[in-house]
Amino acid sequence: GAVVSQHPSRVICKSGTSVKIECRSLDFQATTMFWYRQFPKQSLMLMATSNEGSKATYEQGVEKDKFLINHASLTLSTLTVTSAHPEDSSFYICSARDRTWSTQSSYNEQFFGPGTRLTVL
Amino acid sequence: GQNIDQPTEMTATEGAIVQINCTYQTSGFNGLFWYQQHAGEAPTFLSYNVLDGLEEKGRFSSFLSRSKGYSYLLLKELQMKDSASYLCAVRSPMDSSYKLIFGSGTRLLVRP
Repeated sequence: GAVVSQHPSRVICKSGTSVKIECRSLDFQATTMFWYRQFPKQSLMLMATSNEGSKATYEQGVEKDKFLINHASLTLSTLTVTSAHPEDSSFYICSARDRTWSTQSSYNEQFFGPGTRLTVL
Repeated sequence: GQNIDQPTEMTATEGAIVQINCTYQTSGFNGLFWYQQHAGEAPTFLSYNVLDGLEEKGRFSSFLSRSKGYSYLLLKELQMKDSASYLCAVRSPMDSSYKLIFGSGTRLLVRP
């Protein structure tokens, strides 16, 4: 159980184009999904928190107009990188939190997708 | 501010024991996680500590001292497949999302 998928796994695009990445929880419902970016040999940097049915909360320094997040259902969140540039090339990872989680839960509550490698030429 | 420190790299020998340390200073604390990440893959959950003490799970153990803002991950009987990055993450109740704040990760190289 607790499987999260991402699509596509790898994408190459030209500078100036937009790219959409999907994150799906396959066997559970996720009220909250998180989007991370990871540059080579670095750790995960949280970009934004996505809550089903409401606007995403972006971390400081992340442009909300450039990284559009939509969380339209309990099993799907999308990240759209608009007008992508080479500096946006990175590994994008989503995670999903089971809706049954609470602050009193004593188990792992974020399940990570396999990641999407974005290369902007 | 939020600060989580880990050593950048460590090297150990197959069959040995290695301890990866993590110190943190965060605005609030609601649990500490350790994840393993192989290059180009998603992180996989290893352990979770919210109370002081040692949690043992097979070859992996994790320790937490909340008063010292300190944790370590202990890997026993190292195998070549343990070569990976190990990420320490603190769950912070800064807002209702209780997000994870990740350290920079420790790249572990296991040599024969």
